[in-house]
Amino acid sequence: DIQMTQSPSSLSASVGDRVTITCRASQGIRNDLGWYQQKPGKAPKRLIYAASSLQSGVPSRFSGSGSGTEFTLTISSLQPEDFATYYCLQHNSYLWTFGQGTKVEIK
Amino acid sequence: EVQLVQSGAEVKKPGESLKISCKGSGYTFTNYWIGWVRQMPGKGLEWMGIIYPGDSDTRYSPSFQGQVTISADKSISTAYLQWSSLKASDTAMYYCARRSEGSLYYWGQGTLVTVSS
Repeated sequence: DIQMTQSPSSLSASVGDRVTITCRASQGIRNDLGWYQQKPGKAPKRLIYAASSLQSGVPSRFSGSGSGTEFTLTISSLQPEDFATYYCLQHNSYLWTFGQGTKVEIK
Repeated sequence: EVQLVQSGAEVKKPGESLKISCKGSGYTFTNYWIGWVRQMPGKGLEWMGIIYPGDSDTRYSPSFQGQVTISADKSISTAYLQWSSLKASDTAMYYCARRSEGSLYYWGQGTLVTVSS
């Protein structure tokens, strides 16, 4: 099975900060990765698909990069509505896996 | 408009059986994979498994293999997640989601399952 190691597990940041979240795959997954945002009590929302493609309607301050085993989600200028938990999901293998999540909190 | 509508919250006792549902609309149900995702209270997302309703090809995470059954009824555009004997540790929110452009994109609203004696 492919394991996804997501870091950090949590971070504190201020409005306007640049935030970077990383997912590492235990083996190469090409670009078969999505990034999700989840707010309390809500279903997850996909921000990025195919590692770097911005989902329609998602603000351009969100970006994804990477291929193979290392992937990054970047928020270029954190906004109040971005405080949430973020997850990666790999769908390369027969069995899919989520990362453990990163909670982005207000500093 | 693509929609996934899940069945309502359930309260069950340990040892009871349960089947929750996820009804798709606004697209050809048989043409897209539907996955199930667990979220235990205060915890992260866990991929449970996925089904292709067109031919019922089903995959399970090793963590859930043998613990749950995923199925689909093409005639009513509905996917299911079922347990034969619930445990307290099955208490969680369960989401269904449809695959689009690789990963899961369209999500149901979630079904809260509470198992308590």
